[in-house]
Amino acid sequence: AQSVTQPDIHITVSEGASLELRCNYSYGATPYLFWYVQSPGQGLQLLLKYFSGDTLVQGIKGFEAEFKRSQSSFNLRKPSVHWSDAAEYFCALNNAGNMLTFGGGTRLMVKP
Amino acid sequence: AAGVIQSPRHLIKEKRETATLKCYPIPRHDTVYWYQQGPGQDPQFLISFYEKMQSDKGSIPDRFSAQQFSDYHSELNMSSLELGDSALYFCASSRGDTQYFGPGTRLTVL
Repeated sequence: AQSVTQPDIHITVSEGASLELRCNYSYGATPYLFWYVQSPGQGLQLLLKYFSGDTLVQGIKGFEAEFKRSQSSFNLRKPSVHWSDAAEYFCALNNAGNMLTFGGGTRLMVKP
Repeated sequence: AAGVIQSPRHLIKEKRETATLKCYPIPRHDTVYWYQQGPGQDPQFLISFYEKMQSDKGSIPDRFSAQQFSDYHSELNMSSLELGDSALYFCASSRGDTQYFGPGTRLTVL
């Protein structure tokens, strides 16, 4: 069975600081991995995805993520956080049946 | 670009009532998915349809049913509503491996 773990429930960073959100997965094959962002009461917006190939993927809003098979990780990064980045971030894995399995989410707060 | 449309955006029902949620996928997307997100929780997969046939089933209660119509829109029917059904219900659509989510329907059961 597949699973996704986001170890950090809450993270607070100062505006302009760098950000890394952790995501670990468990899956028997090469996974399809995604990061989504959800603002309060809103839907899920796709930030980026990894299927194969280059392990460093670029997404929207200046985010990137690196797939590390040896660590079963797909961490999300941003070099300089903006106040508008405050939201909940979900890492997700797509199994062979295409249903998404989500991590528990990480709530990002940005200090001015 | 067109996005996934869900209606209604908000719905308030009493216990034991029924509710119908609608989802209109992105044009030319052939697969629709339904997810339930309880307060403070991550989305949980309920059910999906590919080309109008049920393709996967997750933790969907027997009180719930869904279908996809000839125009690819989908409806989630929920009967005998319980307080615990209060949640945000998302629809997503895809043509391939990437799912795009709608804004969700917030269901409140009183």
